[in-house]
Amino acid sequence: NAGVTQTPKFRILKIGQSMTLQCAQDMNHNYMYWYRQDPGMGLKLIYYSVGAGITDKGEVPNGYNVSRSTTEDFPLRLELAAPSQTSVYFCASREQLATYEQYFGPGTRLTVT
Amino acid sequence: GDSVTQMEGPVTLSEEAFLTINCTYTATGYPSLFWYVQYPGEGLQLLLKATKADDKGSNKGFEATYRKETTSFHLEKGSVQVSDSAVYFCALSPQQTGANNLFFGTGTRLTVIP
Repeated sequence: NAGVTQTPKFRILKIGQSMTLQCAQDMNHNYMYWYRQDPGMGLKLIYYSVGAGITDKGEVPNGYNVSRSTTEDFPLRLELAAPSQTSVYFCASREQLATYEQYFGPGTRLTVT
Repeated sequence: GDSVTQMEGPVTLSEEAFLTINCTYTATGYPSLFWYVQYPGEGLQLLLKATKADDKGSNKGFEATYRKETTSFHLEKGSVQVSDSAVYFCALSPQQTGANNLFFGTGTRLTVIP
């Protein structure tokens, strides 16, 4: 199993550009999550999904969109990049009946200038 | 609301020293508590967990005990190694959250020198 994979690893965007951060998991997990990690801060939840076709906002959803058309994939879309979105983005997944353990991808480091 | 307060870092220790990283939480009811570790260039990995009061989580020589009376979940290791150098995150999952979202502390960077 590859676990949770994320692409790209690094990206530099100009203000106003758009991009999609890709996340995929091969563990057949129903629950998937997107977090952002700002320097010196803990992770903040952006969006999550409890299954294909079902998504919901987390703590910091503004400026982002998600979709979940399959169990495996959970892409995160930035429509109009802003400097405040400079961060490291982590995707995670979890089994529905597991005791809360989340499995994390390696992260995408995004810089908006 | 639910939150985690974690010991500020960074922490630098010599090999074989004793490690404590403090973590306290605010939550209603009985949350589940976790320590995650992030090695350089990697994503977070679950280190240990405790799902009810007085439980002790342990893994790789690390331990943490869920203390309801002090709302704490301090991480300890008796003898650290250079390979333990990483960022450690305390986290909680509230008792009544359908998707079991995690709330993280700010992380503590540990550097172990030979």
